Amino acid sequence: SAVISQKPSRDICQRGTSLTIQCQVDSQVTMMFWYRQQPGQSLTLIATANQGSEATYESGFVIDKFPISRPNLTFSTLTVSNMSPEDSSIYLCSVHGSGEETQYFGPGTRLLVL
Amino acid sequence: QKEVEQDPGPLSVPEGAIVSLNCTYSNSAFQYFMWYRQYSRKGPELLMYTYSSGNKEDGRFTAQVDKSSKYISLFIRDSQPSDSATYLCAMMRAGANNLFFGTGTRLTVIP
Repeated sequence: SAVISQKPSRDICQRGTSLTIQCQVDSQVTMMFWYRQQPGQSLTLIATANQGSEATYESGFVIDKFPISRPNLTFSTLTVSNMSPEDSSIYLCSVHGSGEETQYFGPGTRLLVL
Repeated sequence: QKEVEQDPGPLSVPEGAIVSLNCTYSNSAFQYFMWYRQYSRKGPELLMYTYSSGNKEDGRFTAQVDKSSKYISLFIRDSQPSDSATYLCAMMRAGANNLFFGTGTRLTVIP
């Protein structure tokens, strides 16, 4: 399985500000995924990030709020823009397993918005 | 109705017990089924992965999928305190990228 790291591991932010989360993979992957894990709720896919094209967003998530970059095959960023306390959550990136229809996850970024 | 339903627990068992964790789902198009383990302040770790119906065993862990009932299970034999974690079921349609998760069951194994 791929080794995935995320930065920062946690942060406390003020409402109205933005935070960019980085995800680094130790191998080249076609697709990277960003999920949100809100307290007491299931992980929910925010968007799929492909290198060289615009990210694909799931229903309920928009590019203005969660802009994504994918500059190469091992790296992606997710920005949480104009944050409110409702954005307090764990944000996770994931990648496909090699030859498998499953996904491996990074350690997550724990965000608290005050 | 949620796509995937999972009893959040919490579930407490004595060390050595057999643990049964379950999820039900509504979408008959799901073909790939997974169980993840998530320790506190960590990301989900893939435990078991199965395709379609049937059983799969890996050490103390057994995953079962019953597509006719839209029901999946994870059994943990000889449970250990180190198994204390939140267990998440997840599933996916063929050709799709979106994993659908249950809310997770919090398990505590008491020494």
